[in-house]
Amino acid sequence: QVQLVESGGGVVQPGRSLRLSCAASGFTFSSYAMHWVRQAPGKGLEWVAAISYDGSNKYYADSVKGRFAISRDNSENTLYLQMNSLRAEDTTVYYCARGGYYDSGAYYSNAFDIWGQGTMVTVSS
Amino acid sequence: EIVLTQSPGTLSLSPGERATLSCRASQSISSSYLAWYQQKPGQAPRLLIYGASSRATGIPDRFSGSGSGTDFTLTISRLEPEDFAVYYCHRYGGSPYTFGQGTKLEIK
Repeated sequence: QVQLVESGGGVVQPGRSLRLSCAASGFTFSSYAMHWVRQAPGKGLEWVAAISYDGSNKYYADSVKGRFAISRDNSENTLYLQMNSLRAEDTTVYYCARGGYYDSGAYYSNAFDIWGQGTMVTVSS
Repeated sequence: EIVLTQSPGTLSLSPGERATLSCRASQSISSSYLAWYQQKPGQAPRLLIYGASSRATGIPDRFSGSGSGTDFTLTISRLEPEDFAVYYCHRYGGSPYTFGQGTKLEIK
C-alpha cells in the first residue's frame, strides 16, 4: 500500500525549531521527488519545499527560504523538514506529497499524487 | 512567479447539477503541468486531474478537465453528494509549485 505518514508536529514557541518527518512505504522512495505543502486553518494550500530524488537539488518558497531545510534519507525511506526561527504564521498543517519520478536517467514531472495525512504545527508562546 | 486565480470563490449547486470551476494563470503555462485536487474537511487533498485533462487513478468519469494557455476548467457533469468539497488548481513542473486559492463547492 502506497503511503506517506508525517510526524513531529506539536506546539513550539516563536523563534524555536522543529523537525518534521515523513515516512514513505509501498513505492520506490528513492526514485521520486518529494514535497512539503502546508495549509493554515481554514486557508488554502501553500507549497513549501521540494527535493530531488537523490537530495542533490532543493527548492523553497520565498516565505521559508533561509529558515527551513528539506532533506531525505533514502536508506530509511524518510523525508524531513527542519524548521528554524519559527513564526506565528508558520502555524499550519504540514503535508508531505510525492512528486515527479526519475527513470533511466530522465525526470518525469508529476502532479502530487500521494499525500500524507498531515501533521499540525502550532507556533505560540 | 505564476499566480493562479480560481473562480468563483464559492459555488452553490444542487446534487445532479453540472459544476464548472475556473482557474486562470497570470501567464501561459503548459497544460502538461496543470492539476486539480479535491479536499474535504479534515482530509488531505486528493489528485483528480493531471496534465489539464487526464483523470487520476480511480477518479469517476463525471470529473473532467480542459483548457490551455492561461485558462483551465474543471467540470463535474452531475454532482453527487460526496462531490461537495473545496477544489484547488495547481501548477507543477517547476519551482515555485503554485496553487490557486480554492473554490468551495457547497450544497444549495
